[in-house]
Amino acid sequence: GDSVTQMEGPVTLSEEAFLTINCTYTATGYPSLFWYVQYPGEGLQLLLKATKADDKGSNKGFEATYRKETTSFHLEKGSVQVSDSAVYFCALSSNQAGTALIFGKGTTLSVSS
Amino acid sequence: NAGVTQTPKFRILKIGQSMTLQCTQDMNHNYMYWYRQDPGMGLKLIYYSVGAGITDKGEVPNGYNVSRSTTEDFPLRLELAAPSQTSVYFCASSYSTGGSQPQHFGDGTRLSIL
Repeated sequence: GDSVTQMEGPVTLSEEAFLTINCTYTATGYPSLFWYVQYPGEGLQLLLKATKADDKGSNKGFEATYRKETTSFHLEKGSVQVSDSAVYFCALSSNQAGTALIFGKGTTLSVSS
Repeated sequence: NAGVTQTPKFRILKIGQSMTLQCTQDMNHNYMYWYRQDPGMGLKLIYYSVGAGITDKGEVPNGYNVSRSTTEDFPLRLELAAPSQTSVYFCASSYSTGGSQPQHFGDGTRLSIL
């Protein structure tokens, strides 16, 4: 079945450092890919998405490119801030009707000043 | 904008008690979902609904029940609480399933079974 694998955390960075969180997927067909962010004590919020190969999703300085050849959707940010500290989830959605999101296990990011 | 609202935010139950977790959305979404989140395990789908009167099991439905009498509401029922049901529960909704439509999440219910 479909699955998502993302790098285990926690990831600890200093402010203004470069961030990469790896995400790879297994799916039949052409899924849509998402990154969600969860701040402490809150629900998940959509950060960015990409719906087809070579699409780049971007938001709040974060970017991820849908790479079909490597089945990857790595999250990057050039300069992290303390306020980016959160848990990040990679997820995929099959293009079949009636299917829900499949999530990775989440990666905790902690940014210190 | 309310979006997806879950109540209560926190609850402690004794083993064998029952309770209902409430979820309501004001976006007129047909699709609604219940997930549980356990540490280091991501989110697992419990039940979902494609519209009023229609529900289906997800990956981990045992010990839970749902109903969907209106488009807005999708309550989750625990009949005989067990320690294994200690978790954070999230309700979500979306315009459709599959494809590029994102899901919108509530802030969660933190449930402890003692």
